[in-house]
Amino acid sequence: GAGVSQSPSNKVTEKGKDVELRCDPISGHTALYWYRQSLGQGLEFLIYFQGNSAPDKSGLPSDRFSAERTGGSVSTLTIQRTQQEDSAVYLCASSAGFRRSYEQYFGPGTRLTVT
Amino acid sequence: GENVEQHPSTLSVQEGDSAVIKCTYSDSASNYFPWYKQELGKRPQLIIDIRSNVGEKKDQRIAVTLNKTAKHFSLHITETQPEDSAVYFCAASMGWRGSQGNLIFGKGTKLSVKP
Repeated sequence: GAGVSQSPSNKVTEKGKDVELRCDPISGHTALYWYRQSLGQGLEFLIYFQGNSAPDKSGLPSDRFSAERTGGSVSTLTIQRTQQEDSAVYLCASSAGFRRSYEQYFGPGTRLTVT
Repeated sequence: GENVEQHPSTLSVQEGDSAVIKCTYSDSASNYFPWYKQELGKRPQLIIDIRSNVGEKKDQRIAVTLNKTAKHFSLHITETQPEDSAVYFCAASMGWRGSQGNLIFGKGTKLSVKP
């Protein structure tokens, strides 16, 4: 079946602009995660959605970052007033969810460059 | 919160030799430990995982061991091949306890297998 997809694959934006990144999880997966990977670095947790529960936002680095998940499926990560330090690859992952499966499957990522 | 340390940061081996990557974690509540392989420019791919009720798991040339008392786990790759060259990440999660399904990653190990 189809894996996790993300769009756009690349995004170049000017400092101060807002950006929206999209994630389509694997069909039927109830858990969705956003991570950030800076150049040559590990993966940093940002936010986690599980079903209809309130999201775990504990990894968001500032209030310029927010995310939504509509209808329990597609998610959008929004970064307002982008800064150069926001440049990174933003990865989305999904898993089958509570009491079903621990495995997280990643999308191809969105490479964000802030100039 | 959870912290995961990974060593070494780079590892170079001859084809056919074994490779071992080690990780330690800080929170004894963590109960799920996956390993991901990431090739240059690609998404992380889950290669093996282990849960806290198991001490060892093997899949062909790859094995993972877990020592809960010492809070460390290791990835073992035997009979290495050039295609094993990639960055390997370990991670820890509290699974489905509360809302802590997100993964905390180590900083990665760049494995180079020389023909």
